Amino acid sequence: DAGVIQSPRHEVTEMGQEVTLRCKPISGHDYLFWYRQTMMRGLELLIYFNNNVPIDDSGMPEDRFSAKMPNASFSTLKIQPSEPRDSAVYFCASSTDSLDWDYGYTFGSGTRLTVV
Amino acid sequence: GIQVEQSPPDLILQEGANSTLRCNFSDSVNNLQWFHQNPWGQLINLFYIPSGTKQNGRLSATTVATERYSLLYISSSQTTDSGVYFCAVESAARGYNKLIFGAGTRLAVHP
Repeated sequence: DAGVIQSPRHEVTEMGQEVTLRCKPISGHDYLFWYRQTMMRGLELLIYFNNNVPIDDSGMPEDRFSAKMPNASFSTLKIQPSEPRDSAVYFCASSTDSLDWDYGYTFGSGTRLTVV
Repeated sequence: GIQVEQSPPDLILQEGANSTLRCNFSDSVNNLQWFHQNPWGQLINLFYIPSGTKQNGRLSATTVATERYSLLYISSSQTTDSGVYFCAVESAARGYNKLIFGAGTRLAVHP
């Protein structure tokens, strides 16, 4: 498997624009997580899905953020409208409860978002 | 929620030295992982170690779940070991399926 795939790797956008980040989890994984990393707050969980259903979105900072998982192989994190304080690295991760998987969570390479 | 504390926050080593990084956590865990974030920002999974001891080359890790701590050992450090090391845990509490990160240990290895 190619691992967790995120796109784009870098995104620069102007304040007020809509931003969409994409993630493809590892095939067969039934959990998908979105994390955000900033210098001030470190790595924080925004939302996670189990079997494509959002389970906990308590980390989503505000209504400008939304996440969807329309199927087992694709998820999006959308920010509308974007603000400079949203600048961060956004990571996607996937995992499974299967006893055959002994590696825990696997993270994608991240999307570095800069809002100017 | 579960708390994760890592020490030391910063560490400077001379190439070839050994080091021990510590992770304390406040509750029982189902999952504990050590990650290395390299200078390019990638999070590399080093160990999945909710209990016991594992070794991978110059790195090894031990988790003592009953005492709620984990240790990461780096032997014969190299400049490529530089970066930030994160400990992350998933609480054993029912329905708590999320990985919580510590603040990290920033390691700099000098030649």
